[in-house]
Amino acid sequence: DTGVSQDPRHKITKRGQNVTFRCDPISEHNRLYWYRQTLGQGPEFLTYFQNEAQLEKSRLLSDRFSAERPKGSFSTLEIQRTEQGDSAMYLCASSLLAGGIDEQYFGPGTRLTVT
Amino acid sequence: RKEVEQDPGPFNVPEGATVAFNCTYSNSASQSFFWYRQDCRKEPKLLMSVYSSGNEDGRFTAQLNRASQYISLLIRDSKLSDSATYLCVVNWEYGNKLVFGAGTILRVKS
Repeated sequence: DTGVSQDPRHKITKRGQNVTFRCDPISEHNRLYWYRQTLGQGPEFLTYFQNEAQLEKSRLLSDRFSAERPKGSFSTLEIQRTEQGDSAMYLCASSLLAGGIDEQYFGPGTRLTVT
Repeated sequence: RKEVEQDPGPFNVPEGATVAFNCTYSNSASQSFFWYRQDCRKEPKLLMSVYSSGNEDGRFTAQLNRASQYISLLIRDSKLSDSATYLCVVNWEYGNKLVFGAGTILRVKS
């Protein structure tokens, strides 16, 4: 499978714990995006990388959230001191920024439940 | 005003029907436009990009009206498998984040 992959697919954690999610983009894609989706809403942008550089962070991304893409390939999203409001689907997308329309392809997501 | 607005539906249609979804966006400088399809508890999947001249892919036709900041999706000969949520998506700047509408629910019934 050459699509975007995410791990884990599901995570249940207790409030106050730290969690880390991983995203592996399509191999030749240079852009990687993180989104969050709650029930009944479309995905909301969190942050994105071009290669290893983090170029933009949403105001949704509080100080408890951090994302990295150390070698310009896979990325991790860490949430510290989780809160119940963090419960959501966390989606990763990748794209190849190269002229024309920039089409983003999504991974299956990590569903986080904070109890 | 929401950045991207869609009628949430649901649209309940019989098999074989033609159905149209509309979407408006607030940023007149938006660069790219897309329709994504999302099945329950799955990730969004790119259905089609929307070009200024309009474009068609089989039973699906997308139109863009930049002057009115309006995007549409037409589905002809609806199939049961078309049942899903259709997300209108706008790219504020080329190579930047996508801004999603909340989605329109389509239910195709036999």
